[in-house]
Amino acid sequence: DIQMTQSPSTLSASVGDRVTITCRASQSINSWLAWYQQKPGKAPKLLIYKASSLESGVPSRFSGSGSGTEFTLTISSLQPDDFATYYCQQYNSFWAFGPGTTVDIK
Amino acid sequence: EVQLVESGGGLVQPGGSLRLSCAASGFRFSDYSMNWVRQAPGKGLEWVAYIRSDMTHYADSVKGRFTISRDNAWNSLFLQMISLTAEDTAVYYCAKEGGFHKGSVFDIWGQGTVVTVSS
Repeated sequence: DIQMTQSPSTLSASVGDRVTITCRASQSINSWLAWYQQKPGKAPKLLIYKASSLESGVPSRFSGSGSGTEFTLTISSLQPDDFATYYCQQYNSFWAFGPGTTVDIK
Repeated sequence: EVQLVESGGGLVQPGGSLRLSCAASGFRFSDYSMNWVRQAPGKGLEWVAYIRSDMTHYADSVKGRFTISRDNAWNSLFLQMISLTAEDTAVYYCAKEGGFHKGSVFDIWGQGTVVTVSS
């Protein structure tokens, strides 16, 4: 089974900050990597698929990069609506989520 | 509007059974694979089960106890759960596959239904 890790587990940031979250896979997943945003009490929301493709309707301040085993999600200028938990997901072999990264207010 | 609405959650005793439903609307249901994903209280996301036509896959944690099925005529997805334990307590989400262009990501999610296993 493919295992996913994320770092950091928690990130404290301010509005306007550039934020980067890292996701690693235990083996190569090519570019079959997605990022989701989840707010408390809500369902996850797809942000990025195929490592770097922006889902329709998602603000352009979100971007994804990477391939193989190492990936990043970047928020270029953090907005108040972006404080949430972010999960990466591999879909190269079945599906597995990372443990999540919570972005909170500094 | 593309929408998924889960139902059927509730409180069940250990060893009991429950059947979850997910009603789909706003898209051609039969064209897409569907999934169930769960989230235990305060924990992360865990993929549970997948169905495409007659092909199904399950997470090891539920294999042999959960059965995913669908009724394309009624645009509905189901999850039959038996031999439930406290470790199955979670919010259960149904999720639609993204399709050919996006691959098998989950692009639409329901609001979730809560399953609590407790005596």
